[in-house]
Amino acid sequence: ILNVEQSPQSLHVQEGDSTNFTCSFPSSNFYALHWYRWETAKSPEALFVMTLNGDEKKKGRISATLNTKEGYSYLYIKGSQPEDSATYLCASLSGNTPLVFGKGTRLSVIA
Amino acid sequence: KAGVTQTPRYLIKTRGQQVTLSCSPISGHRSVSWYQQTPGQGLQFLFEYFSETQRNKGNFPGRFSGRQFSNSRSEMNVSTLELGDSALYLCASSLGLANEQFFGPGTRLTVL
Repeated sequence: ILNVEQSPQSLHVQEGDSTNFTCSFPSSNFYALHWYRWETAKSPEALFVMTLNGDEKKKGRISATLNTKEGYSYLYIKGSQPEDSATYLCASLSGNTPLVFGKGTRLSVIA
Repeated sequence: KAGVTQTPRYLIKTRGQQVTLSCSPISGHRSVSWYQQTPGQGLQFLFEYFSETQRNKGNFPGRFSGRQFSNSRSEMNVSTLELGDSALYLCASSLGLANEQFFGPGTRLTVL
């Protein structure tokens, strides 16, 4: 069974700060890495799906990088806003194993 | 395009009973996955169905089962409910597990 670890577990930042979190996953037999944002009382919403080593993806103020050889991905948020407050989940897909989710990083952005 | 729908949204059952949850995917999506979310745990993968076939299965006991119909709608069944089955059950539809998952609103199951 894969182990997908996310750090930190929670994070409080001031509005305007930039921040980043880490997702680590077993690198063997890697297939895809997903990032989701999960706001309270809503459903998880996909941010990125990344497959290639060195991949970098961007959506507005949020970007992500992927290193499949060492098994980690970073999610960056530039100029955090209160509406960025959510739990950010990553999930790894490897070989024939299903999506394994980390426990998430809970971000609170204080105005 | 209509999103993923799940019914019912809330359910209260007692130990030993069984329950069936339903998920209607986004039109055109043939993959439906089911997940369990409990306090302190991440999303735990239950199973994935693709074109009526179970393609992947998570590490859950046989009391958890599912099926998918020809219109891609999926049902999940839990028999002989235990207190520990109380959780939020999410389904997601997609073109496949390597593609972004579109999640439904979830069914909150409480087992008393």
